Amino acid sequence: GAGVSQSPRYKVAKRGQDVALRCDPISGHVSLFWYQQALGQGPEFLTYFQNEAQLDKSGLPSDRFFAERPEGSVSTLKIQRTQQEDSAVYLCASGTGSDWYQPQHFGDGTRLSIL
Amino acid sequence: DQQVKQNSPSLSVQEGRISILNCDYTNSMFDYFLWYKKYPAEGPTFLISISSIKDKNEDGRFTVFLNKSAKHLSLHIVPSQPGDSAVYFCAASEAQFYFGTGTSLTVIP
Repeated sequence: GAGVSQSPRYKVAKRGQDVALRCDPISGHVSLFWYQQALGQGPEFLTYFQNEAQLDKSGLPSDRFFAERPEGSVSTLKIQRTQQEDSAVYLCASGTGSDWYQPQHFGDGTRLSIL
Repeated sequence: DQQVKQNSPSLSVQEGRISILNCDYTNSMFDYFLWYKKYPAEGPTFLISISSIKDKNEDGRFTVFLNKSAKHLSLHIVPSQPGDSAVYFCAASEAQFYFGTGTSLTVIP
């Protein structure tokens, strides 16, 4: 398939553990976004990459959250010392353009549950 | 503070009739608006968009209307089909994307 792929689909971790969520964007897509979606809410912006450069990380809720895209393709969102409030669906999206005027293509998300 | 609001959590419509989904926003700097459709356990899928320089954009059964003075966006689906049953999110862009909380549409056969 040529869509955005996220893994794992489901992740259960104990409070205090570190987790890593992976996103494979559509090949050739320049922009990559991470969102957090709490139950009953819309996606909330976390961070944005253009190629390997992280241009905006203003949505990351704390310094426990870290994202990288070292080669401008695959991206990893890492959450350290997880807390229960981190439980959510984490969505990755990619886009063809380098601006905010292009629709984003979303993956199916990783559902993270912190016990 | 929610900059994009969808005040109707759910909507039910008979098959063949028009579905109207509404969205309000507060930031007058938003200049690009989109609608996404989401099925359970899947990511949102792009449906239709509109630039702030337009007031209407149409794509098949889907039409998006933008009223900048009222800061209001709507999505019309005509005719509605059972396969349209999903959660619909509106989103607005100004340096980043802001999403509403979604409206769950049920099209009754």
